[in-house]
Amino acid sequence: QSALTQPASVSGSPGQSITISCTGTSSDVGSYNLVSWYQQHPGKVPKLLIYEVNKRPSGVSSHFSGSKSGNTASLTISGLQTEDEADYYCCSYAGSNTLFGGGTKLTVL
Amino acid sequence: QVQLVQSGAEVKKPGSSVKVSCKPSGGTLSIYTISWVRQAPGHGLEWMGRLIPTLELANYAQKFQGRVTITADRSTSTDFMELSSLTSEDTAVYYCATESPATATFDNWGQGSLVTVSS
Repeated sequence: QSALTQPASVSGSPGQSITISCTGTSSDVGSYNLVSWYQQHPGKVPKLLIYEVNKRPSGVSSHFSGSKSGNTASLTISGLQTEDEADYYCCSYAGSNTLFGGGTKLTVL
Repeated sequence: QVQLVQSGAEVKKPGSSVKVSCKPSGGTLSIYTISWVRQAPGHGLEWMGRLIPTLELANYAQKFQGRVTITADRSTSTDFMELSSLTSEDTAVYYCATESPATATFDNWGQGSLVTVSS
């Protein structure tokens, strides 16, 4: 199975909102509400931001939100902050398999 | 939260195998599903496989089928990921992570083990 499709990069200014898309197929994103998002700063371990499409773990800021429509999931970051500059990965359960997106580099201008 | 401690960096020759270990700093891994995820330099995350302890079952990503083996030693509460027939494309940081079956999320990550494949 192929990786999920994400834009390679997105950018925004502090205070703006951005959305990162994650496109899969009817066998993964479209079949399960088990889409998660991870944030990774350079040289650091990935951190869970969103799980089950739109739920936030304890301690994750409410300016991160998730959604899904059909085979495409999305991560929205509202009120961009400089510390949000990082790589973002979507992830979907796919039966006995698990798929990651290729990652999106967020630049806060 | 469980802290996972992985084995150190390794340098391997093409064609050889590498075995990376993952152990909790306290407690036991026997109750956790452990997944292995790798990240090549400058590249994204790639799921390799998981070991489900309650079923003693391993799932592997199709890409790695036949080349990866994930096992556990319950006596030492240590999980292992062995990758064979290494090429330079296997140069990456290899992470173990606890996986929550209900949410399919990777909640606790090891620090990563750098494997460099070079002649």
